[in-house]
Amino acid sequence: QQQVKQSPQSLIVQKGGISIINCAYENTAFDYFPWYQQFPGKGPALLIAIRPDVSEKKEGRFTISFNKSAKQFSLHIMDSQPGDSATYFCAASPSGNTPLVFGKGTRLSVIA
Amino acid sequence: EADIYQTPRYLVIGTGKKITLECSQTMGHDKMYWYQQDPGMELHLIHYSYGVNSTEKGDLSSESTVSRIRTEHFPLTLESARPSHTSQYLCASSKTTWSEAFFGQGTRLTVV
Repeated sequence: QQQVKQSPQSLIVQKGGISIINCAYENTAFDYFPWYQQFPGKGPALLIAIRPDVSEKKEGRFTISFNKSAKQFSLHIMDSQPGDSATYFCAASPSGNTPLVFGKGTRLSVIA
Repeated sequence: EADIYQTPRYLVIGTGKKITLECSQTMGHDKMYWYQQDPGMELHLIHYSYGVNSTEKGDLSSESTVSRIRTEHFPLTLESARPSHTSQYLCASSKTTWSEAFFGQGTRLTVV
């Protein structure tokens, strides 16, 4: 059972455009929602994370929007650049001693 | 740069061989994880540990085993490699389950 559903599977965006990746979850015990970025040949690395007490978090060109009632969260990449081309994973974790649950990933390509 | 190391980076091995994938971290993290990443990108948790002498099986059934004798070291062993074990294996560590997970660069295993 997929606990975190991520879409789309792949995304092509023009340079300068906005990239949007969505995730949905069912488990209301989740209270930590990170996004990871993975480049080819590398392990995933934390990009940005949010807790459910805020609806939005912004770090540079990257923003997480969180909708607790809808149990959805999304990553927005503003002014997308070719260097942003990578695979992005959303994840979630409940408090306590349970490992992160990852979405299936989105392969983003930013074209000039 | 994360202080978590995996060796070897690439391994080609024959069917039936015993192999051990090494993972070490110098951050003093109690939590360590092994993920299997398929060609479609998805990350599958196969083993995790919350500290010395603690090991748990993850969501994906795996014929591998792990040990955690030292905080910094979390090796994964396949007693008898099979072609179905061909995959990328990623090791990670974190201070808590709801804090940043640091990933190694992965071991790409091919069983022929």
